Amino acid sequence: ETGVTQSPTHLIKTRGQQVTLRCSSQSGHNTVSWYQQALGQGPQFIFQYYREEENGRGNFPPRFSGLQFPNYSSELNVNALELDDSALYLCASSFQGSTGELFFGEGSRLTVL
Amino acid sequence: GENVEQHPSTLSVQEGDSAVIKCTYSDSASNYFPWYKQELGKGPQLIIDIRSNVGEKKDQRIAVTLNKTAKHFSLHITETQPEDSAVYFCAAWEGGKLIFGQGTELSVKP
Repeated sequence: ETGVTQSPTHLIKTRGQQVTLRCSSQSGHNTVSWYQQALGQGPQFIFQYYREEENGRGNFPPRFSGLQFPNYSSELNVNALELDDSALYLCASSFQGSTGELFFGEGSRLTVL
Repeated sequence: GENVEQHPSTLSVQEGDSAVIKCTYSDSASNYFPWYKQELGKGPQLIIDIRSNVGEKKDQRIAVTLNKTAKHFSLHITETQPEDSAVYFCAAWEGGKLIFGQGTELSVKP
């Protein structure tokens, strides 16, 4: 069984730039959720994708957007980067209809300078 | 919306001792409560979970208890080992997403 994989693992950007993070879901899972984890904090829900559509969103501005592809992989895009966007971005996959069993990838560490 | 409070923020124990981490939640409609272990530089790993129709669940050295009336749940680790050192997060399921606590940094001293 293939687990959740994310890329890149680390990246550095400057304020105002744009970034795209990628996620491949675990085999058999059709739903992808993205979380932001600031240093020393618990993960915070950004949004979820199911059937290639956004299926729930947390308290994040529209410059955070995403995509899901037919193979259930997903992208997180962040435009107009701000210093506070520096965080670990986690992708989690699950099967729609299951309650809560999320399996996380290792994350993408974004540093905004 | 749901709010999850987790205590303590740091916990240091001697190898072989027990460790207990406690969480409270606010939304009585929440019905699923997982615990995650996060090692340095890695993503959270699901270690145990409990649903609201169960009061206790055990998996080897790890157990979780749930008190729905008081809206709190706890993680118990017995016979701790140095490899148990990590940050532990509790979470509650609400409306299709997990709400996490702030985390507990557990240090097990050999």
